[in-house]
Amino acid sequence: QKEVEQNSGPLSVPEGAIASLNCTYSDRGSQSFFWYRQYSGKSPELIMSIYSNGDKEDGRFTAQLNKASQYVSLLIRDSQPSDSATYLCAVSAGANNLFFGTGTRLTVIP
Amino acid sequence: EAQVTQNPRYLITVTGKKLTVTCSQNMNHEYMSWYRQDPGLGLRQIYYSMNVEVTDKGDVPEGYKVSRKEKRNFPLILESPSPNQTSLYFCASSLEGGQGGHNEQFFGPGTRLTVL
Repeated sequence: QKEVEQNSGPLSVPEGAIASLNCTYSDRGSQSFFWYRQYSGKSPELIMSIYSNGDKEDGRFTAQLNKASQYVSLLIRDSQPSDSATYLCAVSAGANNLFFGTGTRLTVIP
Repeated sequence: EAQVTQNPRYLITVTGKKLTVTCSQNMNHEYMSWYRQDPGLGLRQIYYSMNVEVTDKGDVPEGYKVSRKEKRNFPLILESPSPNQTSLYFCASSLEGGQGGHNEQFFGPGTRLTVL
């Protein structure tokens, strides 16, 4: 069973701070890594994808991947109350399945 | 607008009454998948399809069936629903699956199913 582990939180940060979300995975053959945002009662929405070691930045979001440590993270700079959601880490070994963590609930306090 | 649609969005039914949840995408995606989401268990894959007439089991296929007769549609069938199938169901699609595929998946709005 391929496992994706996330701290369930809740993680609370003040508005304007950096939120750091972490994820570890068990399958060393994993090739594709994704962060999804899910608001309560809504469907997951893809916010970042990363495929190679290092950092990938998109606006206020930065995804970081370290395949040697089997670790992927998401940083949210200048956190806003609208960023309050559950963040799902998803990992694929390039085959047919996408494995999700159980998510980290983030609350940004105004 | 590129999207994945699901119907119905909400369904309350009784044990044993066959039901179908439809899923359709207009992005010409090859890969489609069904997930269920339960508190504390996250998203778990039920079935997936690499293309027309190609389907395979995910992590939790028991009690479910699927078909893929057309590229755009991927219905989920519960032949004899039971209360433990009460869940939030998501359909998703991506351009491709397969080895090395950058399979960003796009999700439908979800179907909340309650089986009494």
